[in-house]
Amino acid sequence: RKEVEQDPGPFNVPEGATVAFNCTYSNSASQSFFWYRQDCRKEPKLLMSVYSSGNEDGRFTAQLNRASQYISLLIRDSKLSDSATYLCVVRLNTGFQKLVFGTGTRLLVSP
Amino acid sequence: EAGVAQSPRYKIIEKRQSVAFWCNPISGHATLYWYQQILGQGPKLLIQFQNNGVVDDSQLPKDRFSAERLKGVDSTLKIQPAKLEDSAVYLCASSLGDRATNTGELFFGEGSRLTVL
Repeated sequence: RKEVEQDPGPFNVPEGATVAFNCTYSNSASQSFFWYRQDCRKEPKLLMSVYSSGNEDGRFTAQLNRASQYISLLIRDSKLSDSATYLCVVRLNTGFQKLVFGTGTRLLVSP
Repeated sequence: EAGVAQSPRYKIIEKRQSVAFWCNPISGHATLYWYQQILGQGPKLLIQFQNNGVVDDSQLPKDRFSAERLKGVDSTLKIQPAKLEDSAVYLCASSLGDRATNTGELFFGEGSRLTVL
């Protein structure tokens, strides 16, 4: 089983729509969680961290469910510029800090 | 502030040939990572350095891949001999160290795209 699993998509949504992505992780000792954004043929960039109590950054909301071992990202009022791949990232402490990336979920926002 | 620099941006080689990629991290960043990203997949960690020491190379195919980080700054990743399945983007990233890993913020270079024919 993969350490971090995501639905690869693509998710095709119209502008203004609300879309949610889920990510599951297998290691219950996972310590921290993040969402990265990767534009086509570009490098990944940190979008936001995921806190236990849930957190919001503008149109983006991230939530963590430790009991079920999943993380979610909600995007409200989708913009064309939100089209990208969203990578779920888990931090493990295996004697040193290690970040493990999921395969990513592709989002396409259309006019 | 200058970002993570990588070269070459693109490389096309034939199988069994060798190739080397270079990375210059952000100044002052102690931790350097090499990731392999195959089309349609997420980045996979190949090797992680803390200063010039290797922290994790458990997923590095050591029969053909090697990496070094001399003087704790620049790093090179070499593949010899290359196989078709090595076709991927090789991403270098850096961070301040464990504290930055706690924040999850790795700074990636633009990557080196390798095509093996």
